[in-house]
Amino acid sequence: AQRVTQPEKLLSVFKGAPVELKCNYSYSGSPELFWYVQYSRQRLQLLLRHISRESIKGFTADLNKGETSFHLKKPFAQEEDSAMYYCALYNQGGKLIFGQGTELSVKP
Amino acid sequence: GAGVSQSPSNKVTEKGKDVELRCDPISGHTALYWYRQSLGQGLEFLIYFQGNSAPDKSGLPSDRFSAERTGGSVSTLTIQRTQQEDSAVYLCASSLAASRYEQYFGPGTRLTVT
Repeated sequence: AQRVTQPEKLLSVFKGAPVELKCNYSYSGSPELFWYVQYSRQRLQLLLRHISRESIKGFTADLNKGETSFHLKKPFAQEEDSAMYYCALYNQGGKLIFGQGTELSVKP
Repeated sequence: GAGVSQSPSNKVTEKGKDVELRCDPISGHTALYWYRQSLGQGLEFLIYFQGNSAPDKSGLPSDRFSAERTGGSVSTLTIQRTQQEDSAVYLCASSLAASRYEQYFGPGTRLTVT
């Protein structure tokens, strides 16, 4: 069955520290993965997708098929990065399968 | 341009009543999705539309839930005989097509069943 797992409900780091939000997936095919972010009182929005291999707001994510992972990383966290982060897997037909989400808190 | 809009933003209803939630997608987007965001359950897919047809209704939790889309635009999610476990934020999203395009989300409707 297709599944996305984000093992951490809450991740707390200090400003300037590196951050890694973990995401593991289960999918019987070639996966397409996304990270979505929801800032306080804002709507859910796309942060990045693995296929474009881009860096957005200093965040990167690499698809590791061997470890079935798509961890989100940033070398130096900023306070404005505090938000809820969701890893999502594209399923045939267009729907997204989301992980449970990780709340990132960046302390000053 | 205008993003995805949803109404109402908040809805409080009594157990057993029916509710209708509305979604206005981005103009020109042919695909429309409904998700539910609840504590402890994360974001769950409910149903999606390509045009007016719904190829995948697999996420609807029970036959009390139904959705329709008319004119390839506005969609309505109806919950009949609401139960307390239906309390959640219902999110709508749209995309250019039902494929790997980015999904744009609305602000959600917070439903509370008392």
